[in-house]
Amino acid sequence: EPEVTQTPSHQVTQMGQEVILRCVPISNHLYFYWYRQILGQKVEFLVSFYNNEISEKSEIFDDQFSVERPDGSNFTLKIRSTKLEDSAMYFCASRRRGQEFDQPQHFGDGTRLSIL
Amino acid sequence: KQEVTQIPAALSVPEGENLVLNCSFTDSAIYNLQWFRQDPGKGLTSLLLIQSSQREQTSGRLNASLDKSSGRSTLYIAASQPGDSATYLCAVRPSDSWGKFQFGAGTQVVVTP
Repeated sequence: EPEVTQTPSHQVTQMGQEVILRCVPISNHLYFYWYRQILGQKVEFLVSFYNNEISEKSEIFDDQFSVERPDGSNFTLKIRSTKLEDSAMYFCASRRRGQEFDQPQHFGDGTRLSIL
Repeated sequence: KQEVTQIPAALSVPEGENLVLNCSFTDSAIYNLQWFRQDPGKGLTSLLLIQSSQREQTSGRLNASLDKSSGRSTLYIAASQPGDSATYLCAVRPSDSWGKFQFGAGTQVVVTP
C-alpha cells in the first residue's frame, strides 16, 4: 500500500540553524499537510497546501516557517533560525481529492527534530 | 474555539474484551472526524473517517459512531487482541477549515494476554 515517507527520521540541530524536513506524499494525492507533536502533547496543525499554495495555516506557522513543493514528488518544511521550543515530532500528511466527500489523511512516520 | 477531548486517557483490558473509546468535541460545526492509531515512536495510522452526514463507519472489528449534535464519537473495537495495544486519537475537521484537523490527546490502550 502506498505510504507517505519522511526523511530524515531524526534530525539534531544547533539552535539558530536552519532545517529542512522532507516528505514524499502518496503519488496521486493533491492536498498536503504538516503537523507537529511536542512530547507529551497533542498533535497540532501547522499548515495545509494545495495547488502550489498555502490554503490554511495555524498561529504556530509564523515567518520562521515555510513550505515548498519543489518538484512533482517532494513537499518540504523549512524552519529558519530554530529555537529550543521547535523540538518536536513533525508529521507530514496527504490526501487525495474526493468526489463528494473528503478522503482520509494519511500520515508519515514523522521526523523527530531535536534542537540543542 | 473547538476543543477535542478523549476520556479516559488510558485503558487496560484483558484480551477478548470489547474496547469502547470516547471522543467529544465542543463545536458541532464539523465537516468530518477521523480516528487514528499511533504506536510508540511511529506515525498515525488512519482507521476510520466519518463524514458529518454519516452516523457510523465500519471496518473489520472496528466501528465508529458519530453524534454530531451532541459532539460525540465512539470507537468500538470488538474482541480486542494484544496487537490492538496503542494510542488511539480522534481528530475533527472544522466546517470552516480547508482540511486541518484538531486532535484529541488520545487514549492509551493496553490489551493484556
